[in-house]
Amino acid sequence: KNEVEQSPQNLTAQEGEFITINCSYSVGISALHWLQQHPGGGIVSLFMLSSGKKKHGRLIATINIQEKHSSLHITASHPRDSAVYICALQRAGGGADGLTFGKGTHLIIQP
Amino acid sequence: GAVVSQHPSRVICKSGTSVKIECRSLDFQATTMFWYRQFPKQSLMLMATSNEGSKATYEQGVEKDKFLINHASLTLSTLTVTSAHPEDSSFYICSAGGRRLNTEAFFGQGTRLTVV
Repeated sequence: KNEVEQSPQNLTAQEGEFITINCSYSVGISALHWLQQHPGGGIVSLFMLSSGKKKHGRLIATINIQEKHSSLHITASHPRDSAVYICALQRAGGGADGLTFGKGTHLIIQP
Repeated sequence: GAVVSQHPSRVICKSGTSVKIECRSLDFQATTMFWYRQFPKQSLMLMATSNEGSKATYEQGVEKDKFLINHASLTLSTLTVTSAHPEDSSFYICSAGGRRLNTEAFFGQGTRLTVV
């Protein structure tokens, strides 16, 4: 079983729709990152969460540490939001300091 | 926010040659940088942790003699793919930040390597 699972894998929606992408994980973490990967491959960090909720513009990220679950929401979605959204874990304790990535959610927003 | 610059963005090389990829932190000092690889339709996988002034730490299954990492300064880490083979064709991306800086992770632009 993967340590981090994202759903859905693919999502196509109409412009203006409210979008939710989910991330569940099975290991202890010190933080969870939401990343956006554009078609060319470049990656932008959207949020780093260790508890609660964060909001930036039309993007909202929440995390429930007890349930090991996080969600990324996009309000009033726009075609320029089309990208792959990746949930990545920053593990607690020892081991690799690098991130552990989910497989990503491929989002397409149609005009 | 912090900026990480990676170069080149795209490279095509012949089998057997070596390719060097640079990753620079432009406005902060990064004692640790991370190198990731992503195959088509796969998730990013950590290859190695690059530590300034000391040897890199490689993940299981990553050949340290094939993927040479040098982190000679606080702002530059390099990944050299030696004796490249077609199966090394992939998207390589570096990052800095995260736990060590207690900040979000900052990523380079990535390098798409094609070995022919």
